[in-house]
Amino acid sequence: EAGVVQSPRYKIIEKKQPVAFWCNPISGHNTLYWYLQNLGQGPELLIRYENEEAVDDSQLPKDRFSAERLKGVDSTLKIQPAELGDSAVYLCASSPDRYNEQFFGPGTRLTVL
Amino acid sequence: GESVGLHLPTLSVQEGDNSIINCAYSNSASDYFIWYKQESGKGPQFIIDIRSNMDKRQGQRVTVLLNKTVKHLSLQIAATQPGDSAVYFCAEGTDDKIIFGKGTRLHILP
Repeated sequence: EAGVVQSPRYKIIEKKQPVAFWCNPISGHNTLYWYLQNLGQGPELLIRYENEEAVDDSQLPKDRFSAERLKGVDSTLKIQPAELGDSAVYLCASSPDRYNEQFFGPGTRLTVL
Repeated sequence: GESVGLHLPTLSVQEGDNSIINCAYSNSASDYFIWYKQESGKGPQFIIDIRSNMDKRQGQRVTVLLNKTVKHLSLQIAATQPGDSAVYFCAEGTDDKIIFGKGTRLHILP
């Protein structure tokens, strides 16, 4: 069974540029999460989707970050414009529902110069 | 506020010995706790979890202990192997979300 797929794996951009990350969750998983992980830190939740509905986006910096999961399957996370402090690993996770184990993708490592 | 932390940022263990990774939590409302393993370049991988109505749970070579009195969680790995080398995170959860701690790096000595 394929796991959570994320792309790209690495991205280097200059500050003020836009960037987008893509996530394909495990088939049949209704719940999808985006996390931010700084070096040596645990992941921090940015947004959680139940199907196509964003049910928890309280930690998403909405002035520059946006996310969508239009058909309740794939999801994209966008940053526009990127700032130096956005350099981190962006993790996507999915689960059958919010009460079950979360399965993480490999993450996208973003470097903002 | 809510927080999950770890006592030791790095733990070095001889191959074959048992490893114990500790974690403190502060939210008494958390009703389940999870341990994750994260290898370099990979996302966190679920190891084992425990509900707040339990104090011990065993898996394959791993045991999680929960002490609600002192808000302490530990992960025991038996007969530590080179493949156990990773960063381990504890996380505490409620119905709404889970919150991760900072992580402990487990280093295996030959």
